[in-house]
Amino acid sequence: EVQLVQSGAEVKKPGESLRISCKGSGYSFTTYWIGWVRQMPGKGLEWMGIIYPGNSDTTYSPSLQGQVTISADKSISTAYLQWSSLKASDTAMYYCARPIFSDYSTYGGAFEIWGQGTMVTVSS
Amino acid sequence: DIQMTQSPSTLSASVGDRVTITCRASQSISSWLAWYQQKPGKAPKLLIYDASSLESGVPSRFSGSGSGTEFTLTISSLQPDDFATYYCQQYNTYSGTFGQGTKVEIK
Repeated sequence: EVQLVQSGAEVKKPGESLRISCKGSGYSFTTYWIGWVRQMPGKGLEWMGIIYPGNSDTTYSPSLQGQVTISADKSISTAYLQWSSLKASDTAMYYCARPIFSDYSTYGGAFEIWGQGTMVTVSS
Repeated sequence: DIQMTQSPSTLSASVGDRVTITCRASQSISSWLAWYQQKPGKAPKLLIYDASSLESGVPSRFSGSGSGTEFTLTISSLQPDDFATYYCQQYNTYSGTFGQGTKVEIK
């Protein structure tokens, strides 16, 4: 079964660092892009960025460039989303997602496989 | 950045109704558009990709159409399980902008 399993919920204070994870299984992890999507409480979906684990090629949303770091460790089929200094406005549900196609040149299209989500709460 | 605008934001409908949701792109995205369904507390679920291709396992009452800048998602006969929020997403450029969502409520 193809699946993405994300790390558990986190509660952090402003200024703290954090890395959440997304482990892929049941498919060739290195040949599909993995994207990250943010959903703030009561709000819509926001595309954050995407990484190709095969060569770590990464693209970020212009609005989030520099705010987060996306990485991947292909040896353990895991992608990461990382913050160096959290803000209260980072409070959100974060999803990882895999596109429907294994196509490096086009990001692979629509997101077919989704992780269960990781809730990040940042509060003093 | 390409902007995606969905309408309406909220839609009240009854079981059995035909429902149409529209998504407009700020510039042409060819057919690089997807539709998702999201229920409270759950991850989004892919319904339609490449504007009109039905994802495997999705009921045939869901259909998508359009190209360029205007797209529609149609539910031919609304079922109780369909009350949810629906999002469009473009993946034409090296980003993947979502629309703001359309909540389908029980009338």
